[in-house]
Amino acid sequence: DTAVSQTPKYLVTQMGNDKSIKCEQNLGHDTMYWYKQDSKKFLKIMFSYNNKELIINETVPNRFSPKSPDKAHLNLHINSLELGDSAVYFCASSFGRINTEAFFGQGTRLTVV
Amino acid sequence: DAKTTQPNSMESNEEEPVHLPCNHSTISGTDYIHWYRQLPSQGPEYVIHGLTSNVNNRMASLAIAEDRKSSTLILHRATLRDAAVYYCILRAAGGTSYGKLTFGQGTILTVHP
Repeated sequence: DTAVSQTPKYLVTQMGNDKSIKCEQNLGHDTMYWYKQDSKKFLKIMFSYNNKELIINETVPNRFSPKSPDKAHLNLHINSLELGDSAVYFCASSFGRINTEAFFGQGTRLTVV
Repeated sequence: DAKTTQPNSMESNEEEPVHLPCNHSTISGTDYIHWYRQLPSQGPEYVIHGLTSNVNNRMASLAIAEDRKSSTLILHRATLRDAAVYYCILRAAGGTSYGKLTFGQGTILTVHP
């Protein structure tokens, strides 16, 4: 069983479209995250939810909207996709936020053409 | 976010120990020191973390300086599978960065057969 799973693994779409990436964890964790890794390989946190509550919201365009229907899921919806949104998006989860390890998914490679 | 400084790259031979250094001179008293690694085309993977004392687990050892301004990740016997980007991260236990895993540029470890 995959601990943190993301779908889809690859996503190719045209500029201006709206798309969603789904993330599910089966570890019973209470905190989930979205990270973006750009072409230069920098990993940057975007959002974090703890018990379905948004706790970290970095400077991200408001075209990006996370949604946490329950503690096991954190989805990322992106409106009006732009070329610069092309990146690999990683979901992660942890139990607690400090003295604990985070588990990452395998990533979703988004390509906007 | 407290900063860490790591060498851009390091090389090792298979089955030899590897010492990956990290400087974090602005660490606060409650920041945890975390290490993650990212293998090619995969999500980041937890390696080890600690607060003040040295830590050992099945993957590695973490040696933390007495003043906590630096730490060293030790891989006791490098294998080809250990070739990855290694990230040293300070995870804040308070403030606006509470719980955030802020990735830097990391150290690219190359392991030679």
